[in-house]
This record gives sequence, structure tokens and C-alpha cells, in this order.
Amino acid sequence: DAGVTQSPTHLIKTRGQQVTLRCSPKSGHDTVSWYQQALGQGPQFIFQYYEEEERQRGNFPDRFSGHQFPNYSSELNVNALLLGDSALYLCASSLDPRGRNYGYTFGSGTRLTVV
Amino acid sequence: AQSVTQLDSQVPVFEEAPVELRCNYSSSVSVYLFWYVQYPNQGLQLLLKYLSGSTLVKGINGFEAEFNKSQTSFHLRKPSVHISDTAEYFCAGRRDNFNKFYFGSGTKLNVKP
Repeated sequence: DAGVTQSPTHLIKTRGQQVTLRCSPKSGHDTVSWYQQALGQGPQFIFQYYEEEERQRGNFPDRFSGHQFPNYSSELNVNALLLGDSALYLCASSLDPRGRNYGYTFGSGTRLTVV
Repeated sequence: AQSVTQLDSQVPVFEEAPVELRCNYSSSVSVYLFWYVQYPNQGLQLLLKYLSGSTLVKGINGFEAEFNKSQTSFHLRKPSVHISDTAEYFCAGRRDNFNKFYFGSGTKLNVKP
């Protein structure tokens, strides 16, 4: 049973560029959440997608946007990259938006470096 | 405001010694509390969770945690650590009606031989 798959694993971009990160949820899960983990910090919630809609959003600027596809996979897009966007981006999937009984499964993340 | 606080950024300990990693939460955060472990260059793995019921929660790899409402704490303990427990540990909370996790800043556990 495949867990959460994220691609790419590593990425280097230049300031001002745009980036797209991808996430395939665990089999049977329908909800995808994205987190940003800066170096030395805990993960910070970016947003969550359920039924192809953004259901909840954290304190991130509009440069961060996302999408969920009918097969439940998701993309995170970041425009006009800043040096401060360098981080590990984690995707987490769950069976329902609250994931209360079925739990969350985290992927291994995409390490984004902005130079 | 920080909703989940991990009091120690680093905890060094010798192999086979007991360890406690401290976590305090704000009452506005959480009915549900979690501990995750992160090994280098990997994602987060769930160690244990408190949803309701018994305040002593047992998890994987011999870890346990106790939910203490009066002290708003959820400290993680292991009676005897191994070298393989060297990792970063994150405490997290979730509100009842909200979906997102609030993570602490992490505690790096360094187990020395």
C-alpha cells in the first residue's frame, strides 16, 4: 500500500521564479494538506484541499496557491519565489478533512532551495 | 501566539537511559495531541496520539506520553533509549473543529553510546 508520494524530492530555483510541487495521497485518502517546514522550525500549515476545493488556509500570501485533481492528487504552486521560501514542503493526506479517526499520513517532502 | 511549545530544542542522552521530551499546549489549541518523529531527510512519522479516554498513551518504539490537562502538558517519555531513537521529535495539537495541526518547534534527541 503506497503511502504519500511527493515529487520532486529536491529542487533549486532562482528568486522570482515559479515552482510547482506535486503530491499523490495515500490510497483511499481524499484530503490533502500542505505544510512548510523552514530549517530549524516545526511545520506550518499552508492550506488543505478536499473535493477539489481549498477548505482552509494558513497565514501564507497569495503567492502560494494549490490545486486538487479528481484523482485526489494535489499541486502546490509558489510564484515570485523569495529566499525565505526555501524550506521542506510536506504533504499530508487523510480520509476526511478532519482526519480524526483515520489519521494523517505525511510524505517525505520536497526540499526547495531558492538562490 | 505559539499554541504548542516544546521547551527543549536539544536533548542529549546516553544509550539505555530514560528520556522525557517536554510539550505544553495552550488551552485554545487542543483536544487532540500528537507526537511525530522525523529522521534526517524524511517526513513525519506518527509516534502516538491522544484523542480521548485514558490519559496515558502508548505509541510505537516503546514511547509513551501522558496528557495532563491541569498542567496543559503532553510530555513524551521512553524508559530506555537506543541509538536509533536519534531524531527530531515534534509535538502537535489540533482543535476539535479545525483541520490543521499546530506544531511545536521540535526537539532534537541525540542518543550517545
